[in-house]
Amino acid sequence: EAGVAQSPRYKIIEKRQSVAFWCNPISGHATLYWYQQILGQGPKLLIQFQNNGVVDDSQLPKDRFSAERLKGVDSTLKIQPAKLEDSAVYLCASSFEAGALGEQYFGPGTRLTVT
Amino acid sequence: LAKTTQPISMDSYEGQEVNITCSHNNIATNDYITWYQQFPSQGPRFIIQGYKTKVTNEVASLFIPADRKSSTLSLPRVSLSDTAVYYCLAIGFQKLVFGTGTRLLVSP
Repeated sequence: EAGVAQSPRYKIIEKRQSVAFWCNPISGHATLYWYQQILGQGPKLLIQFQNNGVVDDSQLPKDRFSAERLKGVDSTLKIQPAKLEDSAVYLCASSFEAGALGEQYFGPGTRLTVT
Repeated sequence: LAKTTQPISMDSYEGQEVNITCSHNNIATNDYITWYQQFPSQGPRFIIQGYKTKVTNEVASLFIPADRKSSTLSLPRVSLSDTAVYYCLAIGFQKLVFGTGTRLLVSP
């Protein structure tokens, strides 16, 4: 089966610019996650969707980050305006089950560099 | 959320068995031990999950003693391609909380 797709794979922007990432989860997976992984650290959950509803966005910096999942399939994560500390890999994951116990399938990530 | 502690790094040679121990002294009754593997430039990949005693799949074995305060991921006969970061998580129905993981380097 096809895995989680993400684009772009790499993005370089200047601080204060905006950027958007796209994710297409595995077909049939109702739960979608966005993670931020800073170099040398483990992934940190930013937001979790169940279908097109937000389950957990407690760690999403809402003053600059936003995410949506229209129609309960694809999702976009946006940063506006970007800061230097936003340089990281942004990972999208999906799972068939809603709880954290369900196996999560991760995409390859988008590496963002903010200069 | 239960906090886990694991070694920062480990070294091994091809063909050896590697055991990575994870400590989770405050694990909750509902928590399961779950391990993910991450290769460079890729997202993490689920390896194995267990509650107690021993779980085995085609990739690894997971040993969890009766007190569940620690667990051991066992990788039999590692190869160069097993070089990766391995994350131990104790999770119930909460979100996944990744630590910094254990960097395993397998040498020829």
